[in-house]
Amino acid sequence: DVKVTQSSRYLVKRTGEKVFLECVQDMDHENMFWYRQDPGLGLRLIYFSYDVKMKEKGDIPEGYSVSREKKERFSLILESASTNQTSMYLCASILGRVNNEQFFGPGTRLTVL
Amino acid sequence: GENVEQHPSTLSVQEGDSAVIKCTYSDSASNYFPWYKQELGKGPQLIIDIRSNVGEKKDQRIAVTLNKTAKHFSLHITETQPEDSAVYFCAASRGFKTIFGAGTRLFVKA
Repeated sequence: DVKVTQSSRYLVKRTGEKVFLECVQDMDHENMFWYRQDPGLGLRLIYFSYDVKMKEKGDIPEGYSVSREKKERFSLILESASTNQTSMYLCASILGRVNNEQFFGPGTRLTVL
Repeated sequence: GENVEQHPSTLSVQEGDSAVIKCTYSDSASNYFPWYKQELGKGPQLIIDIRSNVGEKKDQRIAVTLNKTAKHFSLHITETQPEDSAVYFCAASRGFKTIFGAGTRLFVKA
């Protein structure tokens, strides 16, 4: 079974802090994604990576950056957290061609005070 | 920009009844349409998907239909059970881009 793990289930940070969300997958998937999930808005793509050190902006990249130094690890960085970044963050990965099942992690619920 | 509209936002059915969730997409180049189920405290998990060259697909109690001309696709769950209670997301995908609907919260009453 594919396993996608995220470093924290719950996180509370203060405005202006730098925040790191970590995601690890154990099945050698090439493509990894970061989404945020908000009520009534579904899942919105923040960034994705199609190979090590390769990244592309999604629909809502403002205020975020990412890092992928190793194939199995994809990190989301909030350079200076703001209250409007309070949300559920979901990481996902896909094996092979992109029109395929996405495997999601359990999510990190981030609260910015 | 592209979007996916999903209805209804909430659906309550009696155990054993059928449930139908409908989605409409705007990007005519979309060619992959997955449905995900999200249970409380978990990430979404794929339950069924359909590709643009197929009109209907069934897997036990769940089925999905696709009308590419109208840009509609629907999820049908028959003989619902309490464990079907969850949030369901439809999505339309093209290459790296997947657009998700806003979700439907399904309640199955025993």
